[in-house]
Amino acid sequence: GENVEQHPSTLSVQEGDSAVIKCTYSDSASNYFPWYKQELGKRPQLIIDIRSNVGEKKDQRIAVTLNKTAKHFSLHITETQPEDSAVYFCAASRRGSSNTGKLIFGQGTTLQVKP
Amino acid sequence: SAVISQKPSRDICQRGTSLTIQCQVDSQVTMMFWYRQQPGQSLTLIATANQGSEATYESGFVIDKFPISRPNLTFSTLTVSNMSPEDSSIYLCSVGPGPSSQHFGDGTRLSIL
Repeated sequence: GENVEQHPSTLSVQEGDSAVIKCTYSDSASNYFPWYKQELGKRPQLIIDIRSNVGEKKDQRIAVTLNKTAKHFSLHITETQPEDSAVYFCAASRRGSSNTGKLIFGQGTTLQVKP
Repeated sequence: SAVISQKPSRDICQRGTSLTIQCQVDSQVTMMFWYRQQPGQSLTLIATANQGSEATYESGFVIDKFPISRPNLTFSTLTVSNMSPEDSSIYLCSVGPGPSSQHFGDGTRLSIL
């Protein structure tokens, strides 16, 4: 069945360093890959997404890369700040007129940014 | 993005009872989704709710346990039936897809005694 593997499960970095979280998906028909940030006690919030026709997307300190051949995608956070500390989830879905667009989530990565 | 309101925000229930969670959206949406997030875990899709048709359930989730209603394009309910402690989770609704991705409500934190 559809599956998304996410690594690492925990990540601790020093403020100002970069953080990278990696995901692998199993469904080759997946064409949409969002990333969510969930702070403690709050709802998941979309921070960036990428579609399968794009290899990389950046938004200020956040970037996502996609390797369709290897079925890998990664989240890159540069110049990390303490407020980046949260749980990050990757997800994959098929989006199209005949598909529901349901999200399959990775297991999550707890990022800790030390001041 | 759509504003999504969930009620109740939290509840403590007795074993064997049922609870209905409401999800209201401020605009009409085609798809509504219900997810479960067990303590310290990721999100797992329970079902997809389309207006005017039966909900589509994921493997491991059944209609008798999690009946869903979708009476119109802005509202859905999820009922957690005959609850046991294993049902203690956060239940989240989301809407999408559309021009943007799925966005989540604040969730319902459910504890079963």
